[in-house]
Amino acid sequence: SAVISQKPSRDICQRGTSLTIQCQVDSQVTMMFWYRQQPGQSLTLIATANQGSEATYESGFVIDKFPISRPNLTFSTLTVSNMSPEDSSIYLCSVVPDRVNTEAFFGQGTRLTVV
Amino acid sequence: SQQGEEDPQALSIQEGENATMNCSYKTSINNLQWYRQNSGRGLVHLILIRSNEREKHSGRLRVTLDTSKKSSSLLITASRAADTASYFCATDDSGGGADGLTFGKGTHLIIQP
Repeated sequence: SAVISQKPSRDICQRGTSLTIQCQVDSQVTMMFWYRQQPGQSLTLIATANQGSEATYESGFVIDKFPISRPNLTFSTLTVSNMSPEDSSIYLCSVVPDRVNTEAFFGQGTRLTVV
Repeated sequence: SQQGEEDPQALSIQEGENATMNCSYKTSINNLQWYRQNSGRGLVHLILIRSNEREKHSGRLRVTLDTSKKSSSLLITASRAADTASYFCATDDSGGGADGLTFGKGTHLIIQP
């Protein structure tokens, strides 16, 4: 299992600014993922952030908008850059510690509102 | 892109009744998982069923998987008010979880006391 501390839990930001979200895991894990959940919607994968390699972005998401850092096996950040109201969502980090069971563990999410 | 389609989108039942949610997916999968989300917070893993399994139980939960129909169902028996939440199916398409999970649209379940 894994326990993830994600912060901030929520924020209200002005358009045009950037917000960095942090995820700290209580154990070393290779595979970490960032998801976006738009209001009333399901989760969409933004990128895979494995330590030791560049993040891999899904279609529709680009590094300039969502830069990711993964400096070690227990920590990652996602930055939402040059924000607009359309970026208002819940952002969640997730890890998969066991490649056999592939159960995912999630942080509590960051509820972002852009005004 | 989202793979799973879940129905119903919303379900309201009386406490003590059983709740059934369905999920369909489009591609081949390694396993299918169900998650619960309370009030837009983090997701909690409920149960995982592998592609070579047909049924699995965990406490009050029963999951079925029909790979020929590319569908799964989640049954919650003897529902409680605390079961009120959104439920999502998610598929591991690649095996080993390396490509993340593909989530369905979710079912919002309300248990009336």
